[in-house]
Amino acid sequence: QKEVEQDPGPLSVPEGAIVSLNCTYSNSAFQYFMWYRQYSRKGPELLMYTYSSGNKEDGRFTAQVDKSSKYISLFIRDSQPSDSATYLCAMKPGAGRRALTFGSGTRLQVQP
Amino acid sequence: NAGVTQTPKFQVLKTGQSMTLQCAQDMNHEYMSWYRQDPGMGLRLIHYSVGAGITDQGEVPNGYNVSRSTTEDFPLRLLSAAPSQTSVYFCASSPDSNYGYTFGSGTRLTVV
Repeated sequence: QKEVEQDPGPLSVPEGAIVSLNCTYSNSAFQYFMWYRQYSRKGPELLMYTYSSGNKEDGRFTAQVDKSSKYISLFIRDSQPSDSATYLCAMKPGAGRRALTFGSGTRLQVQP
Repeated sequence: NAGVTQTPKFQVLKTGQSMTLQCAQDMNHEYMSWYRQDPGMGLRLIHYSVGAGITDQGEVPNGYNVSRSTTEDFPLRLLSAAPSQTSVYFCASSPDSNYGYTFGSGTRLTVV
């Protein structure tokens, strides 16, 4: 079983829809949670960063962490065709120098 | 600033050949890492470094070597290329392992 599970999609939505992207994880030591966006044939870019539980909002993006359920979400409001990309969740324990563990990514397509 | 620069962008190798993938960052980041990305597998950690002179293995280190003689550079060496090493390789850096990573644009490697 992978430490981080993510539905690969593709997820296809119409422009303007609210998008929900999710990851589940098994390691209760994870404390840092991130979302990356990756356009085709490009490197991932950091979108959202959250420490421990709770919500964080940045413009049209909201990240939620529920540590009791080992579940994290990324919501995109008023989705745009430019949001079409693969979204990767990533996380790491709070202690030590261990690197990020990534989900396999969800491909999102926003139809104009 | 250039950020994280990876060279080459594309490479074709024959089985058994060796080569070095270059990675350089100009942000004075202590933490650097190498990932490979394969379809359905997400990003898997190969090696990482928490500072000059310090490296450690990740999830899939076999067949790869690294060294970190300066803060700026973190090359990845393929000792004897195998078709299983056909992948897209990403280098990433961060001020600290608890911060978000800045990724390079990747090296697409094909081993025939």
